[in-house]
Amino acid sequence: DSGVTQTPKHLITATGQRVTLRCSPRSGDLSVYWYQQSLDQGLQFLIQYYNGEERAKGNILERFSAQQFPDLHSELNLSSLELGDSALYFCASSPSGTSTEQFFGPGTRLTVL
Amino acid sequence: GEDVEQSLFLSVREGDSSVINCTYTDSSSTYLYWYKQEPGAGLQLLTYIFSNMDMKQDQRLTVLLNKKDKHLSLRIADTQTGDSAIYFCAEKQGGSEKLVFGKGTKLTVNP
Repeated sequence: DSGVTQTPKHLITATGQRVTLRCSPRSGDLSVYWYQQSLDQGLQFLIQYYNGEERAKGNILERFSAQQFPDLHSELNLSSLELGDSALYFCASSPSGTSTEQFFGPGTRLTVL
Repeated sequence: GEDVEQSLFLSVREGDSSVINCTYTDSSSTYLYWYKQEPGAGLQLLTYIFSNMDMKQDQRLTVLLNKKDKHLSLRIADTQTGDSAIYFCAEKQGGSEKLVFGKGTKLTVNP
């Protein structure tokens, strides 16, 4: 158990809908990272937040957005969902904005029908 | 490019050593990582190596880094059935906090 929690574990929804994935980092960690794992693209970095501020951006679609709250938990919002958004979404956390190690949560499996 | 390449499958017998290989492209990579993913589970950080090191050993795990060839390997000694999983190689490129992952190597350990 890495100490990173993600909810929900599974999510099934329809095309065009909007969902919110939640992540709580390890106690004391200030950075949160979001990754998407799909069969065709593999594991792709989406975005990083550090202490409430966006720190780095990767291959994140405009339909997706994230934020980190004062209590350091983070939410990833996915809107206008498409079939191709079906994937496993991982959150990771690290102590600072430039830490060596990233610790991953168990992931949220999103299925878009 | 950002590609991290790994072979997709490896099958070994229980008790043998496993060697999983990875090549990366960014010579500015600062750290290289090995993560393990068991079915239905998240990514578990196994070990990592700083780019100025050649080797790191941690119990049954040995990481070798050839920076000239941009080649990373993970050796698992005395492989057990519990080691069956997908192993991901990842690099942290200089000036970036994101991890760039390979597609993963599925290790099957046969009794």
